[in-house]
Amino acid sequence: NAGVMQNPRHLVRRRGQEARLRCSPMKGHSHVYWYRQLPEEGLKFMVYLQKENIIDESGMPKERFSAEFPKEGPSILRIQQVVRGDSAAYFCASLKGQGLQDTQYFGPGTRLTVL
Amino acid sequence: DAKTTQPTSMDCAEGRAANLPCNHSTISGNEYVYWYRQIHSQGPQYIIHGLKNNETNEMASLIITEDRKSSTLILPHATLRDTAVYYCIGTSGGYQKVTFGIGTKLQVIP
Repeated sequence: NAGVMQNPRHLVRRRGQEARLRCSPMKGHSHVYWYRQLPEEGLKFMVYLQKENIIDESGMPKERFSAEFPKEGPSILRIQQVVRGDSAAYFCASLKGQGLQDTQYFGPGTRLTVL
Repeated sequence: DAKTTQPTSMDCAEGRAANLPCNHSTISGNEYVYWYRQIHSQGPQYIIHGLKNNETNEMASLIITEDRKSSTLILPHATLRDTAVYYCIGTSGGYQKVTFGIGTKLQVIP
């Protein structure tokens, strides 16, 4: 996990508020995945981004969720008008983007609690 | 990505080898077998990966059958800190959407 940073580690929001989760990839990595994990469940793919480009967002809910990975700065997962069902751990993983044998390195996660 | 099947849970005595199986009968020729583990509440940690040859690193060994339909992750001397959920996935690399199943919950017993 060394090198991939996520903040905040814990985030509490009331229903209807916005949540912004940040992920700083490892140095030299230009690709980022976001995953969501509900208690006692596996990781569910949400979105795969390259800098300034969304490669695959097929796992993202159609409404309220968006993600970006700008040329400068961290990747952001944004959840608008949060609901209780959004409470989960959100993990990002970064990789170099070299194709075959490109290992994902995960961050420590952000635990979102919606009151 | 290949669909993988793992036992839901396993126990292993401390100091003994932990052998975690994974079936991936639909794996295609260019898909690697990757293993990750997730220690409670932490981010998943990469362990090892392989294509068709057996692999070993400082953490574990990976034995892949000749037909590539299954593999076994071996932790040679399990410790209490190896208690975690272990995920086996098949993927052809970084440009693929990766699906993590529920994995195998390994409990190392003192």
